[in-house]
Amino acid sequence: AQTVTQSQPEMSVQEAETVTLSCTYDTSESNYYLFWYKQPPSRQMILVIRQEAYKQQNATENRFSVNFQKAAKSFSLKISDSQLGDTAMYFCAFFLYGNKLVFGAGTILRVKS
Amino acid sequence: EAQVTQNPRYLITVTGKKLTVTCSQNMNHEYMSWYRQDPGLGLRQIYYSMNVEVTDKGDVPEGYKVSRKEKRNFPLILESPSPNQTSLYFCASSPRVGAGGELFFGEGSRLTVL
Repeated sequence: AQTVTQSQPEMSVQEAETVTLSCTYDTSESNYYLFWYKQPPSRQMILVIRQEAYKQQNATENRFSVNFQKAAKSFSLKISDSQLGDTAMYFCAFFLYGNKLVFGAGTILRVKS
Repeated sequence: EAQVTQNPRYLITVTGKKLTVTCSQNMNHEYMSWYRQDPGLGLRQIYYSMNVEVTDKGDVPEGYKVSRKEKRNFPLILESPSPNQTSLYFCASSPRVGAGGELFFGEGSRLTVL
């Protein structure tokens, strides 16, 4: 069975600093997708970034980027120039062809002013 | 406005009283799914549907039922709710079946079973 592990239950960062959230996953499949979702206090689930496993290039969306290490089964999220609005729970998710989506337990990120 | 709508947003009920959480999307998405979110466990998939009349179990289907009679609607039914079904529930849809497309989430339904 596929599993997703987020080893950091909580993290904090100063405004304008950079922070990295870690995620590892376990699968024997070679074709899959990885996501980071953000859940602010409003509870809304918001897609932050998406990575296709067959692409070697790391995905980037403005201040958000990933470090995808396929062999190590690692998918970390880097947030640059952290802003107060980045305060949220962040979920790493693994999507396998056939529509099985597995989420990690989440990391609470607090951005401090 | 493109959206996934869940109702009710908040519900307190008692053990054994059947309830339905509705989910509707206006984006003509083929794929829909239900998740429950519990502290320390993240989101776990309950059921999903790849198209009308096609549903399948996720990781935690026990105690739940779903149906997909229309493309836009995917209700979650709790026939006999129990306290361990107290949770935050999310419905989601996606336009790209099997292709890792973005999931669009509803705003969540907080359910408490006494």
